[in-house]
Order: sequence, then structure tokens, then C-alpha cells
Amino acid sequence: EDQVTQSPEALRLQEGESSSLNCSYTVSGLRGLFWYRQDPGKGPEFLFTLYSAGEEKEKERLKATLTKKESFLHITAPKPEDSATYLCAVLLMEYGNKLVFGAGTILRVKS
Amino acid sequence: DGGITQSPKYLFRKEGQNVTLSCEQNLNHDAMYWYRQDPGQGLRLIYYSQIVNDFQKGDIAEGYSVSREKKESFPLTVTSAQKNPTAFYLCASRGTGVGTGELFFGEGSRLTVL
Repeated sequence: EDQVTQSPEALRLQEGESSSLNCSYTVSGLRGLFWYRQDPGKGPEFLFTLYSAGEEKEKERLKATLTKKESFLHITAPKPEDSATYLCAVLLMEYGNKLVFGAGTILRVKS
Repeated sequence: DGGITQSPKYLFRKEGQNVTLSCEQNLNHDAMYWYRQDPGQGLRLIYYSQIVNDFQKGDIAEGYSVSREKKESFPLTVTSAQKNPTAFYLCASRGTGVGTGELFFGEGSRLTVL
């Protein structure tokens, strides 16, 4: 069964305290891995797409990396406005390009 | 601006009633999706549609129905057969060209059964 697991479930950081979120997956036919940010009561906002092992993408304080079995979202010197739920999803090779989502990591950054 | 519009944002339903959630997009995307989000769980796929007049069941389609009569619109009906309909519902769309894997989401509709 295709499965995506995110850890930790919740993470509390002090402003400026760098850390990483993990997304591990056991799927067949991976076409891509996506990271989204979701604020409370809002729809997810697209951050990154990664297609192959070794690939890296950066945006401001965020950096996403991909291996054959997992992806990391590194947050460098976070600010309170980075507080959100971060979702990982994998794109599978089947009709409809189905995305399978992890449960998310709730990040809280305190000033 | 291009985007996805969901309505209503909040909806209350009595048990036994059907309700329809609206989703409209002006991104000219072929594919549209409905997801359900519950606390502590990942987004779960209800239905999806690749082209007009065609749609497929996702992982949790029981108790839901959809239609795709226009490219821009993909309404979701939550029927009385859905036993636990209280949730946050998200509509998304995606282009189907090369390198267009990411989904774009609407702002969501929160359904509460009284």
C-alpha cells in the first residue's frame, strides 16, 4: 500500500532555531514529491516539487531535498511567520496522477 | 486573478440533508479534484476528473457525488449516505501538460452536521 509518513507531528522552535521536517514514503511508481504550506482554515499553498533523488530546491528560509526513500524540508533561522502546517505529497504513476498526502507537521515558531 | 473559488466557506447541515459544495476555476486546468481533510489525517481523495463529462472515484467516494459538465466547474454533493460528513473540504485543479504536476487549491469549505 502506498504510504506517506511525516515526522514529527508537531514541532516547536524558537525564532532563529533551525531544524528539519521529514517525509518518508513507500510507494510504487513515484513521479514527484511536493511540499505545501497550510495556514489554519486555508487551502494548502504550493512550495516545491522534487522529481529525482539528489534534487534540491530553495525558497527564502526553506530548502527541500529528496532521496530515494524520503524528503527533508530544512528551515533555516525560522521566523514566527513560518508557523503553519507543512504537508508532503507524492505523485503516483496511475490514471489521474493521484497525489497521496502525509498527515502534516504542525510548526510553531516563537519569538 | 486566476484561481480556484470554493463556496460556501462555512456550511451547516442537518442530518439527512444533501448539500452541494461549489468549486469554480479560471486557470484553464483540465483536471480537478476533491479532497477531505480531518484533524490529524492527511488529505484524502474523494473524486477526481481529468476531462469534462468524465470523473473517477477516489479513496473515500462513498456518500459523495460529483458532476463535470463544464471545464471550469466541479461541484461536490455530500449526500445523506455519508455517515460522518463533518470535515474541511478542499477543491484543487492541475494542468495536464509536461511539468505541471502540482495541485492548486481553493480556500476550502467547512461542513458541520448539526
